[in-house]
Order: sequence, then C-alpha cells, then structure tokens
Amino acid sequence: SQELEQSPQSLIVQEGKNLTINCTSSKTLYGLYWYKQKYGEGLIFLMMLQKGGEEKSHEKITAKLDEKKQQSSLHITASQPSHAGIYLCGADMNFNKFYFGSGTKLNVKP
Amino acid sequence: DVKVTQSSRYLVKRTGEKVFLECVQDMDHENMFWYRQDPGLGLRLIYFSYDVKMKEKGDIPEGYSVSREKKERFSLILESASTNQTSMYLCASNNKRLFYSNQPQHFGDGTRLSIL
Repeated sequence: SQELEQSPQSLIVQEGKNLTINCTSSKTLYGLYWYKQKYGEGLIFLMMLQKGGEEKSHEKITAKLDEKKQQSSLHITASQPSHAGIYLCGADMNFNKFYFGSGTKLNVKP
Repeated sequence: DVKVTQSSRYLVKRTGEKVFLECVQDMDHENMFWYRQDPGLGLRLIYFSYDVKMKEKGDIPEGYSVSREKKERFSLILESASTNQTSMYLCASNNKRLFYSNQPQHFGDGTRLSIL
C-alpha cells in the first residue's frame, strides 16, 4: 500500500551475510508487525513493535521501531537459506484497519 | 498457537460459477479478514468482520460477498466468478484492539484460486 513503503523490493545475499529491510510510513504507527511468507503460502507472524525505540529479537532476526514510530527495520544476522522468502511489514493506522507493505523478496545463496 | 484454517490450498473453477472459500479460526478471535494477494499489487483487503453477522467492506469488495454466521467461521463468496478473480486468497483473524493494546493478524495458508 502507499501508506507503507518497503525497501528494497528484492534482495539476493550470500549465505552468512547480514541484511536489512526497511519499512517507512508518513503517519504515526500504532503498531508495526513483521511477517514472513514462503512462496505460495500464508503469512507467518514474526514480531510486533508498539513503542517508539522498541527493539525485539528472535533467533537471528532483530526488528526496531524508531522513536517517531514512523520507520521500522528488520535486520538478519548471518543469513541462512532458511531465511529466504518474502518479508512484509504491516501496521495499524486506523481502528481495525491494517496496511501492508509491498514486501521484500529475499534470496540467500548457499 | 493460533490456528487459521482455509478449506482448500488450490481450487479451480469456471467462469460464472458461484465459489465459496471457507476459513475457520480456533482462538475465539472477534475479527476476521479476507485479502487477495496479486504480484505487484500486494495484499488488498476485500472484507472484514468484527462480530458475528457483522461485515465491513474493504478496499476491493466488488464481485465478492461474505458470511459470518458463527464466530469461528468466515466465508468468502464469489457470486459469479470471473477470470480477473484468479488470485491467492488469504484469511486472517485477530482479537479486537483494546486501548493501547495492538493485536497482530494471524493468517491461514492461503487458497490459490484459478478461474478458467
């Protein structure tokens, strides 16, 4: 959606390398969510960020929300082939209305 | 863990048919959603429901209807299927958002629908 801009659109990295995906909004986000989608499958919820400056980690994936609550980043450390897929950010902006970014396709070369 | 189950992973139907896509969630969530996902267009909201028998139009409701007779089940209906409705359909659910309490949506595995 235009409410959430995600970058880059696609990414190819060598296994073991670090990478960052960004999600930006022109409006304040009430909640920011990161999802992973394997090709042809549903979205898997990864993490939720609510407070400005919040940071969460799960295994080798770290997500941060900036102080203004308008930008989030997803960082993968020492990428593995299992990290490959499409990463989408989603956000609450209005009551019970979610917006989603267009997604970042990640390929990890062994 | 939250479980959202869509009745079919793959479905092939013919133009003009009435098509039903079923979604069931097992977490007593108030809200349920139907999206379609197309390359280059991302996820687009078709309809959502915040209670039994309640429904709200999303961004692209034309050609679709929904039914929510029970809390756990949300059905998407293509009244007269057309080829431009060939897509990946995703169902999601979450709890009602309380003051300062955000609730992520949880998704099913998707139904890849082809209309011939």
